[in-house]
Amino acid sequence: GAVVSQHPSWVICKSGTSVKIECRSLDFQATTMFWYRQFPKQSLMLMATSNEGSKATYEQGVEKDKFLINHASLTLSTLTVTSAHPEDSSFYICSASGAGVSYNEQFFGPGTRLTVL
Amino acid sequence: AQSVTQLGSHVSVSEGALVLLRCNYSSSVPPYLFWYVQYPNQGLQLLLKYTSAATLVKGINGFEAEFKKSETSFHLTKPSAHMSDAAEYFCAVSGGGSEKLVFGKGTKLTVNP
Repeated sequence: GAVVSQHPSWVICKSGTSVKIECRSLDFQATTMFWYRQFPKQSLMLMATSNEGSKATYEQGVEKDKFLINHASLTLSTLTVTSAHPEDSSFYICSASGAGVSYNEQFFGPGTRLTVL
Repeated sequence: AQSVTQLGSHVSVSEGALVLLRCNYSSSVPPYLFWYVQYPNQGLQLLLKYTSAATLVKGINGFEAEFKKSETSFHLTKPSAHMSDAAEYFCAVSGGGSEKLVFGKGTKLTVNP
């Protein structure tokens, strides 16, 4: 099946610093990538959708200046949490869909645990 | 707008017993429906999906779900629970030309020996 990786799997940073999370599709071209946030013991909340070469579309209530998303190639999207604060601590999961894989199905990465001190 | 309701945030069964996780959806367009499983600190793994073909969908690990339009339901079942089935399960819906997934709040399945 289609494989999506995320790096790093966990990261700890100090308040005020920026953190970049990478999401890669390893064996297919990801025309669309999605970024989710998951609080402990809660469901996934879609943050934004990005199409390769286009600006990301953010969900209502998500600060686009705080969560910078770049989808510069068909295999890589990045999420940068700028000036991170403790309330940004969460589990971030990406997913991807694309050409040559199952229609209308998203393939999920393993997630990144962000802790902001 | 689409939405998903998962009845029961926690379900506990004995090993070997039937697993039934409930999911009801709301959609103004023909839906695509999905069940995902999540183990602690991991991403989501697709168990099965309904995409307007057969209403009874068989997935991995012995799970299946039946799409019932009249009841707007897509309940997940497994005849005999294994200890390894203990995890969080999410039902999700998409449709209307959008790839966006709307997730339910999840059901934590506990399997007792």
